[in-house]
Amino acid sequence: DGGITQSPKYLFRKEGQNVTLSCEQNLNHDAMYWYRQDPGQGLRLIYYSQIVNDFQKGDIAEGYSVSREKKESFPLTVTSAQKNPTAFYLCASSRTGEWETQYFGPGTRLLVL
Amino acid sequence: DQQVKQNSPSLSVQEGRISILNCDYTNSMFDYFLWYKKYPAEGPTFLISISSIKDKNEDGRFTVFLNKSAKHLSLHIVPSQPGDSAVYFCAAKGGGADGLTFGKGTHLIIQP
Repeated sequence: DGGITQSPKYLFRKEGQNVTLSCEQNLNHDAMYWYRQDPGQGLRLIYYSQIVNDFQKGDIAEGYSVSREKKESFPLTVTSAQKNPTAFYLCASSRTGEWETQYFGPGTRLLVL
Repeated sequence: DQQVKQNSPSLSVQEGRISILNCDYTNSMFDYFLWYKKYPAEGPTFLISISSIKDKNEDGRFTVFLNKSAKHLSLHIVPSQPGDSAVYFCAAKGGGADGLTFGKGTHLIIQP
């Protein structure tokens, strides 16, 4: 079955610690995205990548970093510079030129200890 | 500044009736609009979309209406079913951004 997987489902971060959220897709999509959702808020774009080895900042990139070494994978690192990391993180992918139909993963909930 | 606004955090509708979810936007450069449905602890799933060159798009029980002059779109679900209970996000694209701009969502509750 094709789809997007995110792991882990829940992640705990200690103060000053960097954590990495995994996102993998086997849909052969070129574009991948990371969104953040806070309670009572819409999804906000963190980073996106249109092609391997290339990515751009979204609306709220500060305190986050990404890499896109493989087409299938787009990991997101929440760095210690992100002062309010507690949120629900969603990864999405789409075909090139078909961004309107973004397929979302199940999400990772990040909690700060 | 919220560019996509869903002013109703929740909406309760009786099963079989019509559900109308509203969305307003401020950025006149948006040229494509989408609705996503989200169940708890799952990622959103694409529901229906509309291009700015149209004013209506229909897919089964779901119809989206776009009023460009009012910068307003709405999603109609008829008849509403219990499985429609979810959070519905309005999203927009355009104005040079490559990602989607989402509203805060409306929690639709279908009552038996």
